[in-house]
Amino acid sequence: NAGVTQTPKFQVLKTGQSMTLQCAQDMNHEYMSWYRQDPGMGLRLIHYSVGAGITDQGEVPNGYNVSRSTTEDFPLRLLSAAPSQTSVYFCASRSTTGVGSPLHFGNGTRLTVT
Amino acid sequence: KNQVEQSPQSLIILEGKNCTLQCNYTVSPFSNLRWYKQDTGRGPVSLTIMTFSENTKSNGRYTATLDADTKQSSLHITASQLSDSASYICVVSLGTASKLTFGTGTRLQVTL
Repeated sequence: NAGVTQTPKFQVLKTGQSMTLQCAQDMNHEYMSWYRQDPGMGLRLIHYSVGAGITDQGEVPNGYNVSRSTTEDFPLRLLSAAPSQTSVYFCASRSTTGVGSPLHFGNGTRLTVT
Repeated sequence: KNQVEQSPQSLIILEGKNCTLQCNYTVSPFSNLRWYKQDTGRGPVSLTIMTFSENTKSNGRYTATLDADTKQSSLHITASQLSDSASYICVVSLGTASKLTFGTGTRLQVTL
């Protein structure tokens, strides 16, 4: 199993540009989520999904959109990039069976907005 | 406000030595506490998980302890190796994966 795969690994955008960060998992996990990681701060939840067709906002959702058309994929869209969105983005998934199942993270996308 | 504080912020130790990382939390109601290891340029990977009733959990050279009364956890690394160089993140759960509070991590560097 590849686990959680994120693309691209690096991206540079100009202010106002749009892009989609891709995330795919092959573990048949119902739960998927997006986090951003900034220096000196803990990981913060952007959006999450508990199954295909179901999404919800996390702690810092402004400026980001998501959709979940399949169990495997959970893309994150930046509609109009801003310098404040410069960060490292992680996609994570977990099984919803069993108590306390761990999150499985991808290796991140490092985004710079100039 | 739910918070998770980790100390020290960074740590340098010699290969073969032991070290202990600390995590204090104010999250309530508490469900479980997990330690993750994050290598540079990679995503976090789960090391251990402890529920309210567990005091100690080991994973090889990693041993986590939990004191739910004082809301403190520690991660002890025995006989450190160069490959232990990473950030270690404490994560406290309110009961669902969408209600996690992440610490800012301790950056550990193991040197020769």
